[in-house]
Amino acid sequence: GEDVEQSLFLSVREGDSSVINCTYTDSSSTYLYWYKQEPGAGLQLLTYIFSNMDMKQDQRLTVLLNKKDKHLSLRIADTQTGDSAIYFCAESPMFSGGYNKLIFGAGTRLAVHP
Amino acid sequence: DARVTQTPRHKVTEMGQEVTMRCQPILGHNTVFWYRQTMMQGLELLAYFRNRAPLDDSGMPKDRFSAEMPDATLATLKIQPSEPRDSAVYFCASGLFPGQERGYTFGSGTRLTVV
Repeated sequence: GEDVEQSLFLSVREGDSSVINCTYTDSSSTYLYWYKQEPGAGLQLLTYIFSNMDMKQDQRLTVLLNKKDKHLSLRIADTQTGDSAIYFCAESPMFSGGYNKLIFGAGTRLAVHP
Repeated sequence: DARVTQTPRHKVTEMGQEVTMRCQPILGHNTVFWYRQTMMQGLELLAYFRNRAPLDDSGMPKDRFSAEMPDATLATLKIQPSEPRDSAVYFCASGLFPGQERGYTFGSGTRLTVV
C-alpha cells in the first residue's frame, strides 16, 4: 500500500541540527524526495536521493536512506529561523503501465526558536 | 527561473457554482499533477497526466471533478457543482519523465473557498 509517515512537529534552537524522519512503504520507489513548504506558498524541492544510495549531502542538508527499514531522514545543520516551514517526505512508487506518482507524507512542521 | 503558473490565486464562490482552475506547466515538461491540500487530509493526488494523456485520476471525485489538458501549455481542473467540502488549496506540479531526479515543480496554488 501507499503510506508515508512523518512526525508532525519538531522544535529546535537556532544553530542546532534538525533531524526529520520519514518511513515509506513502497520499495519500488526509485527516488525519494524532500520538499519544503513555507506559509502561503507551494512546495519547493529541497533534495532527492536515488534508492541505491545510502547518503546524500547538499550543503547544510544530509539525507540518509535505510532501504531495509524503508526509513528516510533529513538533517539540517546549523538550523536558521528561515528554515521554519513544513517539510514533506515523498516516495515515487512505480505502477504497472510504467508510470510513477508522488505520494506525500503529512508533513513535519519545523519551528526554529532563538 | 522557470515556473508553474496557476490562476486564479484565490477564488471565493457560492455552493453550486462551477469553478475552473488553470495551470501553465513549465515549457517542455511532459508530466502534470493536480494535488489538493487540506489540514485534515494533507496532500491528495487528484490527477496525473503524461504527454497530455490522463494516466491516473483515481483520487478525483468523478461526479463533480474533471481534469483536462487541452494543449501542452494548459491544464485545467473543473468542479461542477462546487460544495463547501471542496474548500482547499489546489496545486499543480509539472516535471519530466524520465528525469524524475529533478523532482517536480509546484505552482503557488489556488486557494478555493466555497461558501
